[in-house]
Amino acid sequence: KNQVEQSPQSLIILEGKNCTLQCNYTVSPFSNLRWYKQDTGRGPVSLTIMTFSENTKSNGRYTATLDADTKQSSLHITASQLSDSASYICVVSSKLIFGAGTRLAVHP
Amino acid sequence: DADVTQTPRNRITKTGKRIMLECSQTKGHDRMYWYRQDPGLGLRLIYYSFDVKDINKGEISDGYSVSRQAQAKFSLSLESAIPNQTALYFCATSDSARGGETETQYFGPGTRLLVL
Repeated sequence: KNQVEQSPQSLIILEGKNCTLQCNYTVSPFSNLRWYKQDTGRGPVSLTIMTFSENTKSNGRYTATLDADTKQSSLHITASQLSDSASYICVVSSKLIFGAGTRLAVHP
Repeated sequence: DADVTQTPRNRITKTGKRIMLECSQTKGHDRMYWYRQDPGLGLRLIYYSFDVKDINKGEISDGYSVSRQAQAKFSLSLESAIPNQTALYFCATSDSARGGETETQYFGPGTRLLVL
């Protein structure tokens, strides 16, 4: 069964701290893996995308990693800011399977 | 993303009513999608269209229909709404010419639907 599982379900951190979000998948065939950020009341916005041959991709303070052998990805957020408070969604293609997301709250 | 608009933003309806959610885009993209999002679940694909004359069922198409009136417009209809169709609905677009397998989707702001 094609599945994308994200952990933790929710996370609270203090402003300035780092955090890492996890994504495990069983989607086949694999085309690419994306991370999206979804602010409350808005649609998801793409952060990073990685294909099979890529194992890391950065976008500012966001760094995604991909291990295609173990079918795991992580999103690392460095020096968190209040504006990072959002849901982070992992999506695996080619079947566009969305994870349920990790809800991140950054507190001052 | 302001280039993808959805109307209405919020809608309350009663069981059995027919309703239409509309999506318009000014990005010039050829591909359009409808998703629903439920608490604790990932977005699930309802229908997608790769061109004006192309309509495809997604994972959860039962109870829904779509119409691609023009390249820029993609409507989702609930023929006879039921309470378990209460959800947040998102429209998305993508450009097949821009990225191949790394093609990015751009989402609208969502429509919150409540079926009583």
